[in-house]
Amino acid sequence: GESVGLHLPTLSVQEGDNSIINCAYSNSASDYFIWYKQESGKGPQFIIDIRSNMDKRQGQRVTVLLNKTVKHLSLQIAATQPGDSAVYFCAENYSGAGSYQLTFGKGTKLSVIP
Amino acid sequence: ETGVTQTPRHLVMGMTNKKSLKCEQHLGHNAMYWYKQSAKKPLELMFVYSLEERVENNSVPSRFSPECPNSSHLFLHLHTLQPEDSALYLCASSQDEIQPQHFGDGTRLSIL
Repeated sequence: GESVGLHLPTLSVQEGDNSIINCAYSNSASDYFIWYKQESGKGPQFIIDIRSNMDKRQGQRVTVLLNKTVKHLSLQIAATQPGDSAVYFCAENYSGAGSYQLTFGKGTKLSVIP
Repeated sequence: ETGVTQTPRHLVMGMTNKKSLKCEQHLGHNAMYWYKQSAKKPLELMFVYSLEERVENNSVPSRFSPECPNSSHLFLHLHTLQPEDSALYLCASSQDEIQPQHFGDGTRLSIL
């Protein structure tokens, strides 16, 4: 089956800088995407989602960009803080079949340097 | 995040034991999920329930048996597990399909 993957397994960022976490997906039919944050000892926490009829969505300090042409998803975190240190996962869904099924990537570990 | 609560947080059991994991969601959602999270592997969907009906079963061994008595509670009954079943088991809920899933903090399961 098709899967979601991540370009970088680890990312170190200076506190106050912006972070960009990338995700490549292979199912061109996927039409819903989610970013999760998972801190040590906790479950994944929903950050932001985007549907395929959009190419950009903003939240509080976060922006998700979707490029359907190259099947690429990114999460931008503005003014990165130590509390942003965690593993970040992207996930995709195809509403056409198995609508409850989210396919997750392996994750990128973000480390914020104080 | 107190919307989805899982108990116990940690569980150690032998291969011949029978135990159950419990999940409760306080979000008024219609769908509930069990996932397995192993080291260095993506989250694996095990079971999905929508309005107490099982809607997905991703070829999970029969030693894992889910139960959804109502839309707020989900159980995972375990019996005759194998060492490779040691993992973090996560429960999630969502309002409906194609909606964000909200996760509990998981049960860390260790099989001796």
